[in-house]
Amino acid sequence: DAGITQSPRHKVTETGTPVTLRCHQTENHRYMYWYRQDPGHGLRLIHYSYGVKDTDKGEVSDGYSVSRSKTEDFLLTLESATSSQTSVYFCAISRVAGVSRYEQYFGPGTRLTVT
Amino acid sequence: AQSVTQPDIHITVSEGASLELRCNYSYGATPYLFWYVQSPGQGLQLLLKYFSGDTLVQGIKGFEAEFKRSQSSFNLRKPSVHWSDAAEYFCAVGVIYNQGGKLIFGQGTELSVKP
Repeated sequence: DAGITQSPRHKVTETGTPVTLRCHQTENHRYMYWYRQDPGHGLRLIHYSYGVKDTDKGEVSDGYSVSRSKTEDFLLTLESATSSQTSVYFCAISRVAGVSRYEQYFGPGTRLTVT
Repeated sequence: AQSVTQPDIHITVSEGASLELRCNYSYGATPYLFWYVQSPGQGLQLLLKYFSGDTLVQGIKGFEAEFKRSQSSFNLRKPSVHWSDAAEYFCAVGVIYNQGGKLIFGQGTELSVKP
């Protein structure tokens, strides 16, 4: 258990509204990630963070922004939600040293439905 | 291009039978390989990992995987399946990505276990 919580766990929102998902970790890990999971696609990286205020885009970052003002919190914002962003969102962490940065541990997920 | 392929979308095995889930990867550098399991409505749990050394790695829940560089494969095996093993299984490769590393996931294999 990597001490990761995500909130909310479920959310239904309307097209065009902003949505913020929160990932919280208790073990002071440097790297944090946001993935989305869609049938037939596995998980795909949206954004990641390598430290406070240090973030970078993943492969499916359009329509998403992130912020990390504290080590323990990594926020994912959908600036104007669209139906194509209906998905399950997972937060993950990894330790910083060497190859361990590839070993990621996942939170329980947030199921987001955009109507 | 970096990719992971899991050729079997769905597999059904009888309880007590052996299991092998296939995974092939495409990555030009040294691969760091992982298997994750996801039960319905849950997050992903790390089953096992390969970084280097012995090509047969042991994981949790009685699973093992064998890395074969010549075949670009990392197949997951279990000698005797239990009903509780029914879940979705994801293979992933860790790749260098900007300031850190990211995981590239296969599409997943859903395992059903029949009595």
